[in-house]
Amino acid sequence: GNSVTQMEGPVTLSEEAFLTINCTYTATGYPSLFWYVQYPGEGLQLLLKATKADDKGSNKGFEATYRKETTSFHLEKGSVQVSDSAVYFCALNPGGFKTIFGAGTRLFVKA
Amino acid sequence: KAGVTQTPRYLIKTRGQQVTLSCSPISGHRSVSWYQQTPGQGLQFLFEYFSETQRNKGNFPGRFSGRQFSNSRSEMNVSTLELGDSALYLCASSRPLEDNSPLHFGNGTRLTVT
Repeated sequence: GNSVTQMEGPVTLSEEAFLTINCTYTATGYPSLFWYVQYPGEGLQLLLKATKADDKGSNKGFEATYRKETTSFHLEKGSVQVSDSAVYFCALNPGGFKTIFGAGTRLFVKA
Repeated sequence: KAGVTQTPRYLIKTRGQQVTLSCSPISGHRSVSWYQQTPGQGLQFLFEYFSETQRNKGNFPGRFSGRQFSNSRSEMNVSTLELGDSALYLCASSRPLEDNSPLHFGNGTRLTVT
């Protein structure tokens, strides 16, 4: 079946540190891949997406590359800020009528 | 462009009651998906509607139901509430999901069952 596995949190970093949140997936065919972010008291917001192998999604300094050979879509940012503290969700759409989410990774960034 | 609107933001109900949650999608979006978010289970898919038709349903008991109207607005209903139904219910609208469209979420309805 289709599923998403992402690293457990919480992840705690100091401001300006490098961020990596690992995400791997299991899917038939060629799914679209997404990263969403959820701030306290809000719904999820799309952070970035990639729809085919080797695509790189990027937004607000965050990047993720669709790696079909390793079935991965790791999220990276070169220098995190306190305002990046949130919960990050990796997700996939295998081409049907449902988007499947990982468990979420909470990020704390200390000043 | 207005975002996805969910009402009400907060609800407190007692066991055995029923509840109806409402979702107004972004203008032009005909797909509406519903999710239940809890600390222990994460985001669990409830159902997806497109042009008033339910196209997919998650693994929830029949007490959970939904519908979509001709203007794409959607409602979900939970009957005979249980304590375990306490959660944040999120609605998301999109262009057709089969077109690799991302979801646009509302801020959710926080349901507490006592």
